[in-house]
Amino acid sequence: EAQFVQSGGGLVQPGESLRLSCVGSGLTLSRYWMSWVRQAPGKGLEWVANIKQDGSTRYYGESVEGRFTISRDNANNSLFLQMDSLRIEDTAIYYCAPWGIIEGAISPWGQGTLVAVSS
Amino acid sequence: SYELTQPPSVSVSPGQTATITCSGDALPKQYAYWYQQKSGQAPLMVIYKDSERTSGIPERFSGSSSGTTVTLTITGVQAEDEAHYYCQSADITGTHQIFGGGTELTVL
Repeated sequence: EAQFVQSGGGLVQPGESLRLSCVGSGLTLSRYWMSWVRQAPGKGLEWVANIKQDGSTRYYGESVEGRFTISRDNANNSLFLQMDSLRIEDTAIYYCAPWGIIEGAISPWGQGTLVAVSS
Repeated sequence: SYELTQPPSVSVSPGQTATITCSGDALPKQYAYWYQQKSGQAPLMVIYKDSERTSGIPERFSGSSSGTTVTLTITGVQAEDEAHYYCQSADITGTHQIFGGGTELTVL
């Protein structure tokens, strides 16, 4: 069974940076595109970014383009999200998940890690 | 920017049928996926590629598609089905993913 251990969340001030990690087990991440999805408190799901198996192609949501960078380390079965210039509205639970184990689907999901941006 | 539109809430009594819709202009060309999210938990995919049921999901869950609307149907709703449901698809290029705003299913 695929599982993901997420870490790196925490409380930061506006303008600061944070790096999230997602380590997979029971699944070889290098075989799949990977995604980050976030959920602000009491709100819906928002897709953040996708990265291709070899890291050569990345796509970002409009609200994070230019500030966030998705990357991966296939040798260590890991996915990352570097978040710079954080804003209060980036406060959310961030989930990692493969994209495309089933064509087009984001599944299964990690347990999520909380990022809080506050002054 | 592209949007998927869902009703904010649906309420049904146990044993009745719940219908949750999701509308978007690119849905005739892109598959849709449905996720169930219970309070405090990560989302769980229940339907993929419009109408395929994920392994382990009860048969009362089904999906369908017609034009710019996809529909999640729960036949014979049970109390345990109370959750938020989100549709997901892609824009016309297939490169950017999008979620609907979510529908809160209340079992009366």
